[in-house]
This record gives sequence, structure tokens and C-alpha cells, in this order.
Amino acid sequence: EVQLVESGGGLVKPGGSLRLSCAASGFTFGDYSINWVRQAPGKGLEWVASISSSSSHRYYAASVRGRFTISRDNVKNSLFLQMNSLRAEDTATYYCARVFGGTVTNSDFWGQGTLVTVSS
Amino acid sequence: QSVLTQPPSVSAASGQKVTISCSGSRSNIGDNYVSWYQQIPGTSPKVLIYDNNKRPSGIPDRFSGSKSGTSATLGITGLQTGDEADYYCATWDASLNGVVFGGGTKLTVL
Repeated sequence: EVQLVESGGGLVKPGGSLRLSCAASGFTFGDYSINWVRQAPGKGLEWVASISSSSSHRYYAASVRGRFTISRDNVKNSLFLQMNSLRAEDTATYYCARVFGGTVTNSDFWGQGTLVTVSS
Repeated sequence: QSVLTQPPSVSAASGQKVTISCSGSRSNIGDNYVSWYQQIPGTSPKVLIYDNNKRPSGIPDRFSGSKSGTSATLGITGLQTGDEADYYCATWDASLNGVVFGGGTKLTVL
């Protein structure tokens, strides 16, 4: 069974840092690109970042570029999102999602999400 | 303000059909595939349609997708109360060099 489990969320002060993790199981993790997608409370979905299977390609939303870094460890079947210089508007539930079909907009399996709250 | 424009809400009676539109531009929908997601409140999104009009295994044929020019449409027939959810379109935007989502459409089944 394919599973993606996010962790690392919590309360952080503006300007602070947080590192999210996504543990994958049930499939060959190193064969798939992965997305991070977030959702602010009561708001819609917002794509954050994508990383290719070998980490050779990484893409970021303009709103996080230069502050967030996506990375992965294919040996440990894990995905990460290092978030620095956090702002109140980064408050959201962060999902990791597996890409399928060769198109980064196609995500077939999603984690349950981890909540990040940026507040003083 | 989302790059892709969806109506905030749609409604239709149980058993009827509804369509949800997603309007973009040449740099996104015009030149790229569109996906559609369903999100029931309190749960993670689920892909309904990918590559404009393909359904993943397990998605009933009540759900359909189409694209014309810079717009895409999700169709749902035989509406059920379980279809009440938020629906999002998504595609790649070449100008932004990233994935863009529509603002979402809340479906109410009357």
C-alpha cells in the first residue's frame, strides 16, 4: 500500500525555520517525482515545490523561492522541505504528493498533511 | 488571485449534471495538460482527471474532463451527496515555471 506520511509541522515565530519530512512506503520512491502542496486554513491549494526522482530538477513557487529548499533521500525513502525566514502567510497544512504519468501536475497519492503555524 | 479562474460555487440537484469551468491563458492551460482534484472537507485531495480527460483507475465515468483553447471543464453526472466537495483544476504555467491551481469550486448537491 502506497503511503506518504508528513511530519515536522508545529508553531514557529516569524523569521524562524522549520524542516518538514515526508516518509514514503509501498512503492519505489526513487522512481517518482514528488510535490509539496500547501493549504492555508479555509483557503485553496497552493503548489510549493517539486523535485524530480534523481533530484536533478527542482522547482519552486515564487512565494517561497529563496526561502524554502526541497530535497530527498532515495536511500531512506524520504522527502524534505527546509523552510527558512518563515512568514505569517506560510501558515498552512503542507502535503507531500507523488507525481505520476510524467506530468508534475498529476499527483495520485497524498499524505495526510502537517500543519505549520507561523505566529508570535 | 489565482492564475486559473474557477467559479467559487456551483450547485445542482441530486442525480443531475454539473460542469465546473477553469479559465487560464496560453502559458498555462493553452499549452499544458490539466488535472482536476476533489477535496472533501477534512481530507487530502484526490485526483479525478489527469492529462485533460483521463481518469485514474477507480474513478467512475461519471467524472469527465475536457479542454478547449485556454479553458478546461470538469463534468459530473448522476450527482450524489457524496460528491459535495471542493474541486480544483491544476496545470503547469510556463511563464511562472511552476504548477498553478485554480481557486477552487465548492459543489453543493441539493
